[in-house]
Amino acid sequence: AQSVTQPDIHITVSEGASLELRCNYSYGATPYLFWYVQSPGQGLQLLLKYFSGDTLVQGIKGFEAEFKRSQSSFNLRKPSVHWSDAAEYFCAVGARMGTNKLIFGTGTLLAVQP
Amino acid sequence: NAGVTQTPKFQVLKTGQSMTLQCAQDMNHNSMYWYRQDPGMGLRLIYYSASEGTTDKGEVPNGYNVSRLNKREFSLRLESAAPSQTSVYFCASSSPGLGLNEQFFGPGTRLTVL
Repeated sequence: AQSVTQPDIHITVSEGASLELRCNYSYGATPYLFWYVQSPGQGLQLLLKYFSGDTLVQGIKGFEAEFKRSQSSFNLRKPSVHWSDAAEYFCAVGARMGTNKLIFGTGTLLAVQP
Repeated sequence: NAGVTQTPKFQVLKTGQSMTLQCAQDMNHNSMYWYRQDPGMGLRLIYYSASEGTTDKGEVPNGYNVSRLNKREFSLRLESAAPSQTSVYFCASSSPGLGLNEQFFGPGTRLTVL
């Protein structure tokens, strides 16, 4: 069955420190891959997406993610975290053919310490 | 360009009451979705509409009905609300060829069923 795993439910980092959020997927073929961010009380905003080509993709707010086919992973990174990055982050996968449905992970809640 | 709008933002119901959550998008998207978000469970798809005139069940459709009123509007109805339906509900839209599966989200409706 198709699934997305975000193994870290909650992460705390210090402001200015680097960040890596993990995402692993189980899918029959290489899917489309997405990272969304949700600030408290808000809807989801797209951070970045991978369709094809360069496996290192750049997104908004200084985030990047790397697709590793051999590890079925799409980890999100940021070199230096800002207090405003505190939010919940969701990884999602979508099929390359058929419906436009997405499968979401359970999310990682990021706290930023001053 | 408002994107995806949802009404109401908050709602409290008593068990057994009915209500309809409204969603509209002004991006001329073909596909629309209803999700529920519960702590630790990520986003789960309730129903989706791949195009005007079609609707299909998602992962958790029991207790819900939907109507794709036109290309812009997609409503979610709870006929007899239950406490298990206490959740945050998100509507989203997407369009093939426009970022391939990228979904745009509304701000959410926070529903409490007593």
